Amino acid sequence: KQEVTQIPAALSVPEGENLVLNCSFTDSAIYNLQWFRQDPGKGLTSLLLIQSSQREQTSGRLNASLDKSSGRSTLYIAASQPGDSATYLCAARSFSGGYNKLIFGAGTRLAVHP
Amino acid sequence: IAGITQAPTSQILAAGRRMTLRCTQDMRHNAMYWYRQDLGLGLRLIHYSNTAGTTGKGEVPDGYSVSRANTDDFPLTLASAVPSQTSVYFCASSDSPLTEAFFGQGTRLTVV
Repeated sequence: KQEVTQIPAALSVPEGENLVLNCSFTDSAIYNLQWFRQDPGKGLTSLLLIQSSQREQTSGRLNASLDKSSGRSTLYIAASQPGDSATYLCAARSFSGGYNKLIFGAGTRLAVHP
Repeated sequence: IAGITQAPTSQILAAGRRMTLRCTQDMRHNAMYWYRQDLGLGLRLIHYSNTAGTTGKGEVPDGYSVSRANTDDFPLTLASAVPSQTSVYFCASSDSPLTEAFFGQGTRLTVV
């Protein structure tokens, strides 16, 4: 059974810092891994999708890496800004329980203070 | 482009009442999903549909039903609401089960 874990659960950093959010998954047989951002009371916004055959994806100040063999993905945020404050969720797409599904981690709550 | 539209945004519902949460997408995605998000339990899949005309049960399907009569709409029905169905419900879609998933803004449902 696929399980996804995110560390740390919460993170508070000063503006301008580079930071890394971690995501680990127990079953390496994933199709892809997706990172989302969720603002309080809002829906999920897709940030990056990494296919199982890829090692990393970049979008602006965000870079996500994937190491299937070790069951890990990281989201790197460069030069953090207060507007980056949100909860970041990773989700692994796996075939589990008879169907294809996204399995979510519990998220990392990020606060960037001026 | 609206993406995924969910309605209502929030609702307070008496226990035992029937309720349908609406979800419409304008991206012509084949696959659609319903999730619920609860504090401490994260996001859990309720039902899914890989293509119009087909549906399947997710992790927590009991008490919920769905239909997929066309590509754009994927309503979620609570036949007889119970307080444990108090949650935030998210509809999502993807072009295929293997591509990027997009989420709606959610429906906050309180069953009293």
